[in-house]
Amino acid sequence: NAGVTQTPKFQVLKTGQSMTLQCAQDMNHNSMYWYRQDPGMGLRLIYYSASEGTTDKGEVPNGYNVSRLNKREFSLRLESAAPSQTSVYFCASSETSGRSPYEQYFGPGTRLTVT
Amino acid sequence: GEDVEQSLFLSVREGDSSVINCTYTDSSSTYLYWYKQEPGAGLQLLTYIFSNMDMKQDQRLTVLLNKKDKHLSLRIADTQTGDSAIYFCAEITSGGYNKLIFGAGTRLAVHP
Repeated sequence: NAGVTQTPKFQVLKTGQSMTLQCAQDMNHNSMYWYRQDPGMGLRLIYYSASEGTTDKGEVPNGYNVSRLNKREFSLRLESAAPSQTSVYFCASSETSGRSPYEQYFGPGTRLTVT
Repeated sequence: GEDVEQSLFLSVREGDSSVINCTYTDSSSTYLYWYKQEPGAGLQLLTYIFSNMDMKQDQRLTVLLNKKDKHLSLRIADTQTGDSAIYFCAEITSGGYNKLIFGAGTRLAVHP
């Protein structure tokens, strides 16, 4: 049981390049999330997927797109990377119905630098 | 709007108690959480409290909730060097899915 896995762990991009961050969970959770973490700002929600086949914008969606490929996988795409997207990106998953307290389980993060 | 605030840094001596404070704004939050982030790792749920409780104790951890003042605290007894980490307070909001609002995190440094 690996929990939430993310690839890659580190990435350096040039401005304007594109890339996709991959996330997978093996806990059969319905909901998945993408956050970015910047110093002194906590975690901010980029996009979420409440269930397979649905995605919605979070707090800071501009410059990103997502795909909920199936129940296990939720990818985040940067179409044209900008230096302002330098951050640590976390994927998380949770169950959102039935048993509380709806704990979110986090992956180890992807450290992205855009030069 | 929704907001969670916490102080950014706390330094304590090994063996002392640590108290990390947090204020939140959404009075309808059903759960409040404390997450721990160790260096280079993701967040891990440390403990949580249901909104109808005032206190929850779990081994060395004590969570206090003051709903009137929207104030949450985490006390770590007998703080150890292994407790050095960033601690995030979070509230869960209503509205169709379980959205977590995180504070900026409190970096706890434990020194000998």
